[in-house]
Amino acid sequence: EAGVTQFPSHSVIEKGQTVTLRCDPISGHDNLYWYRRVMGKEIKFLLHFVKESKQDESGMPNNRFLAERTGGTYSTLKVQPAELEDSGVYFCASSPVGQGARDTEAFFGQGTRLTVV
Amino acid sequence: DAKTTQPPSMDCAEGRAANLPCNHSTISGNEYVYWYRQIHSQGPQYIIHGLKNNETNEMASLIITEDRKSSTLILPHATLRDTAVYYCIVRVLNQAGTALIFGKGTTLSVSS
Repeated sequence: EAGVTQFPSHSVIEKGQTVTLRCDPISGHDNLYWYRRVMGKEIKFLLHFVKESKQDESGMPNNRFLAERTGGTYSTLKVQPAELEDSGVYFCASSPVGQGARDTEAFFGQGTRLTVV
Repeated sequence: DAKTTQPPSMDCAEGRAANLPCNHSTISGNEYVYWYRQIHSQGPQYIIHGLKNNETNEMASLIITEDRKSSTLILPHATLRDTAVYYCIVRVLNQAGTALIFGKGTTLSVSS
């Protein structure tokens, strides 16, 4: 079974440009989460989808970040325009919904390392 | 903010047991204790979770005190590949899913 896949693995862009990160969750996982780790800081929660709906977007830093999950399958996270402080590693995770105690383990992708120069 | 407190770093000799402590004195009755780890720059990896009973799986054991205010993750025979940052997280478990709130974690260094 394929795990959580993120694309690209690395991205280097200039300040002011736009970047779109993609996450393909494990098939059948309705929960999809985005996290970010800025260098030297803790892993921070960004937002949570249940299927195509945003369950919790309290961690989104500002309106330069737009996340979508059309159709409830893969998700994209767009940063427009990118700023230097957006550099970091962006992780996506997925987990199943509605299985009670089995909705426990979030599977993480390998992350996208974003560098804004 | 994270609701757990962990030592910033620990060392362990290869083949020995690694015991990683975690304090969660404000844990609520419906919150579980989860452990994840992040090896180098990979994505975090689930290890184990528990509510009040001790738990064991193929990776580790989780010992939760009776008052649930602290817990210990035990890696029975640490290997070099267990070198990672270990995160203790408390989380409500519900069917809709909840986010993981990561703290600073404990950096475990396993040496030969």
